Amino acid sequence: LAKTTQPISMDSYEGQEVNITCSHNNIATNDYITWYQQFPSQGPRFIIQGYKTKVTNEVASLFIPADRKSSTLSLPRVSLSDTAVYYCLVGDRETSYDKVIFGPGTSLSVIP
Amino acid sequence: DAGVIQSPRHEVTEMGQEVTLRCKPISGHNSLFWYRQTMMRGLELLIYFNNNVPIDDSGMPEDRFSAKMPNASFSTLKIQPSEPRDSAVYFCASSYPGLAGDRPDTQYFGPGTRLTVL
Repeated sequence: LAKTTQPISMDSYEGQEVNITCSHNNIATNDYITWYQQFPSQGPRFIIQGYKTKVTNEVASLFIPADRKSSTLSLPRVSLSDTAVYYCLVGDRETSYDKVIFGPGTSLSVIP
Repeated sequence: DAGVIQSPRHEVTEMGQEVTLRCKPISGHNSLFWYRQTMMRGLELLIYFNNNVPIDDSGMPEDRFSAKMPNASFSTLKIQPSEPRDSAVYFCASSYPGLAGDRPDTQYFGPGTRLTVL
């Protein structure tokens, strides 16, 4: 299973764009990249998933370079309510079940 | 859709007592996962079921932990006897792989049960 590395914490002011980068040097051909968000006292919540290039939804964008050894979650114009822990996971349909590993994630603090 | 339902939301018990945590997955989902979250160890996968069958319980810390899924709409995680080091937030999650093709499936997490063992 591809191991991921992401910053432990980040701070940002309200209204700014936040980019959180995740490294996954050993990503396999069949692996997808998935990001979850966890608010305090809640369970993680799916944000976005991608395989290559760029994916965008109503919450965030996910940028994946051609070599797929890293990915960047982009949150546009963050607000205080975006303060949460963001987890990057890498895995395919099979391994994502029995080898799901949530790392420490990135704790994002949005400052007024 | 009510989402994944867990009960109780909070549980305080004394060391040595039996603890049973309950989970109702989202209707139609056929995979169910139990996680434990602590500050020291983060979020750990304990066990997961597919079509009510336990697929991998290698994450279950010891024989004091057991999990069952008697039907598609209910699962339990039992700790007997409980110990102070079992204090954590326990999450249940469910997913439905049918429409995802070869992609990893989105897991939907419940609100968690905060367990305190004194």
